[in-house]
Amino acid sequence: TQLLEQSPQFLSIQEGENLTVYCNSSSVFSSLQWYRQEPGEGPVLLVTVVTGGEVKKLKRLTFQFGDARKDSSLHITAAQPGDTGLYLCAGDEGVGFQKLVFGTGTRLLVSP
Amino acid sequence: NAGVMQNPRHLVRRRGQEARLRCSPMKGHSHVYWYRQLPEEGLKFMVYLQKENIIDESGMPKERFSAEFPKEGPSILRIQQVVRGDSAAYFCASSPWPGSYEQYFGPGTRLTVT
Repeated sequence: TQLLEQSPQFLSIQEGENLTVYCNSSSVFSSLQWYRQEPGEGPVLLVTVVTGGEVKKLKRLTFQFGDARKDSSLHITAAQPGDTGLYLCAGDEGVGFQKLVFGTGTRLLVSP
Repeated sequence: NAGVMQNPRHLVRRRGQEARLRCSPMKGHSHVYWYRQLPEEGLKFMVYLQKENIIDESGMPKERFSAEFPKEGPSILRIQQVVRGDSAAYFCASSPWPGSYEQYFGPGTRLTVT
């Protein structure tokens, strides 16, 4: 079974700071997704990266897929309290359908 | 703009009872995935279904758990003779085709076994 480890597990920062969340594995994934989950709700897809080395930007969020397609990072610039939540990365095992392996999660708290 | 719908949102069952969780995929989606999120653990894949077919159930516990996605109606995750360890949030997700890069998740059903 492929595993995805996220770091840090918890992050508490002040509004306006920058942060980076890492998602690492020893396995190769055909694609990788980032989700955000609010308490009591299901994960909401933020982005999908497919190509090794790919970088995608979504407003203040920048996502990168490692060259070897084993790791990814999420960088948030000038964090806001609305960014608070649980960030999950998920790798596609590539078995013909999208069988996702989820990371351990990073819980982010942004204080005003 | 109906997303993935799950009901009930909260379900309380006594040990030994049956739990039935329902999932209606997004309009136009015929592929459903079920995941379980145990307290303080990550989301774990359970089963992938297409209409009337179970494609991959490698994440399902061998006993007491079953899933179906009939031609008409929602997908059902059924847990027989529930035990305390089944207490978790169960999420379903849907996608328009197997290779789609996008899975859309429902709000989940929180099962509590007393």
